[in-house]
Amino acid sequence: AQSVTQLGSHVSVSEGALVLLRCNYSSSVPPYLFWYVQYPNQGLQLLLKYTTGATLVKGINGFEAEFKKSETSFHLTKPSAHMSDAAEYFCAVSGPNNDMRFGAGTRLTVKP
Amino acid sequence: DTGVSQNPRHKITKRGQNVTFRCDPISEHNRLYWYRQTLGQGPEFLTYFQNEAQLEKSRLLSDRFSAERPKGSFSTLEIQRTEQGDSAMYLCASTANYEQYFGPGTRLTVT
Repeated sequence: AQSVTQLGSHVSVSEGALVLLRCNYSSSVPPYLFWYVQYPNQGLQLLLKYTTGATLVKGINGFEAEFKKSETSFHLTKPSAHMSDAAEYFCAVSGPNNDMRFGAGTRLTVKP
Repeated sequence: DTGVSQNPRHKITKRGQNVTFRCDPISEHNRLYWYRQTLGQGPEFLTYFQNEAQLEKSRLLSDRFSAERPKGSFSTLEIQRTEQGDSAMYLCASTANYEQYFGPGTRLTVT
């Protein structure tokens, strides 16, 4: 079975500071991993995904994540936070039928 | 617009009433998923379709819930005898290349 744990339900950073959102996964098969962003009252938008190949994946809006098998982690980073990055972020692992298992989410607040 | 659409966007109903939501996936996607998201939580998998066949149902999908995808295109999710605990955002997604494209969701409030 697949599962995801997001460490930290709330993260607050200053504008221009590094963003680090933590995600650890559990999977009985090679995982497909995803980060989604959700703005209030909207659906989820894909930021980036890891399926196979290069372990450092780059996504939209300057975000990137690194798949570390030895640590079972897929942390999301962005070098410099922008006010528009304030949102809820979800890490997800894809199951054998492509049904996703999501973490509980991390709410990112960006302070001016 | 070729994205996933869901209707209605908001639904307020009284406890005990039946409600039905619709999802229109991206046209060339043959897999369609339903999720439920409660406040402060990530989406929880409910069920999915491969074309018109419903292939998996979560234990979250009680017998009051039924989903259909009659012609392998749009899908409906019906909740019978709604309960206050059914209040949530219901999300639909369709898939290409392991990437799920989500609709904007239907927010259900049961009073």
